[in-house]
Amino acid sequence: EDQVTQSPEALRLQEGESSSLNCSYTVSGLRGLFWYRQDPGKGPEFLFTLYSAGEEKEKERLKATLTKKESFLHITAPKPEDSATYLCAVQGEETSGSRLTFGEGTQLTVNP
Amino acid sequence: DGGITQSPKYLFRKEGQNVTLSCEQNLNHDAMYWYRQDPGQGLRLIYYSQIVNDFQKGDIAEGYSVSREKKESFPLTVTSAQKNPTAFYLCASSIPGGFETQYFGPGTRLLVL
Repeated sequence: EDQVTQSPEALRLQEGESSSLNCSYTVSGLRGLFWYRQDPGKGPEFLFTLYSAGEEKEKERLKATLTKKESFLHITAPKPEDSATYLCAVQGEETSGSRLTFGEGTQLTVNP
Repeated sequence: DGGITQSPKYLFRKEGQNVTLSCEQNLNHDAMYWYRQDPGQGLRLIYYSQIVNDFQKGDIAEGYSVSREKKESFPLTVTSAQKNPTAFYLCASSIPGGFETQYFGPGTRLLVL
């Protein structure tokens, strides 16, 4: 059974204070690891897909990295508009269909 | 613009009533999904469909039903058998076959009167 654990549950930063969110996973063969951003009362917005250990992807102040057991979402010099819940999900090789297993998310608050 | 639409944004259910949530996509995706999100919890898969006229149960299918008569549409019915239906419901779609990203709609919040 695929499992995803995200930490911390909540993170409060000052504007400009860089940090990282963690996503630890257990899958029987990783097909893909996905990061989403979710604003309150809205659907998740796709950020990144990572496929293999060592891979990195960047978008504005966000950079996602992947190892064989975990992924990090690095936030550099965050702004208040980066405040949201960040969700991590995995798709395993033995998972039927294209279904994803999600973590519970990290709620990020960036204060001005 | 391509995307996924869900309606209504808010839905109220009376006890013993069945209600249907709409999900439509114009992304030409074959696969569609329904998730339930409760406060402080991750998304849990209710049903998914990889092709028209075919669908599979997810992890929490009890008390729900779906149909997939058209590629663009995947409605979810919350039946009276679902005793705790209050939640945020999210529809998603993707190109099936693995590695493909799931794109989400704006969600429907279901509340019980």
